[in-house]
Amino acid sequence: AIQMTQSPSSLSASVGDRVTITCRASQGIRTDLGWYQQKPGKAPKLLIYAASSLQSGVPSRFSGSGSGTDFTLTISSLQPEDFATYYCLQDYNYPWTFGQGTKVEIK
Amino acid sequence: EVQLVESGGGLVQPGGSLRLSCAASGFTVSSNYMSWVRQAPGKGLEWVSVIYSGGSTYYADSVKGRFTISRDNSKNTLYLQMNSLRAEDTAVYYCARARPVGYSYGLDYWGQGTLVTVSS
Repeated sequence: AIQMTQSPSSLSASVGDRVTITCRASQGIRTDLGWYQQKPGKAPKLLIYAASSLQSGVPSRFSGSGSGTDFTLTISSLQPEDFATYYCLQDYNYPWTFGQGTKVEIK
Repeated sequence: EVQLVESGGGLVQPGGSLRLSCAASGFTVSSNYMSWVRQAPGKGLEWVSVIYSGGSTYYADSVKGRFTISRDNSKNTLYLQMNSLRAEDTAVYYCARARPVGYSYGLDYWGQGTLVTVSS
């Protein structure tokens, strides 16, 4: 199975900060990767699909990049509602695998 | 409006069985790829299974041979039959629609989740 390594596992940031989360795949996955946001007690929400495509309704401060093994989720200006846990998911082959998550906390 | 509503979770003894349901509205389950994802208490997300519109199915290694994904087209409902349950299957189970985009997918709609607890 493809392993997805996310970093950092947690970070503290302030409103307005630029935040970058990375995900590294144990083998090349083209651009077959999505990013999800999850708030406590809620279902995950799709932010980015196919590595860099913004899901409808998601604010433009979220962006994704990368291909092959290295991927990045960037929040250009962190807003109060962005404090959550973020996960990457590779859907290149089965079994699909999530990264371990990155918790974004208020500094 | 697209909506997914899971049901069927609960407390079950180790070795027991449970069937989860995911009732869809606003779209047709049989025309879409549908997936199950779970989350153990305090842990991260784990992909469990997917069923293609054509009927092909795939599973995580941790559930292969024990879980079966299926659907009832007449009820527009997705199922997850879980047999030989173990304590490590304790989790909130989410159903989600997997929308293919090129070679990739996006899990674009999710249910609210249903809690399965495996304990004696």
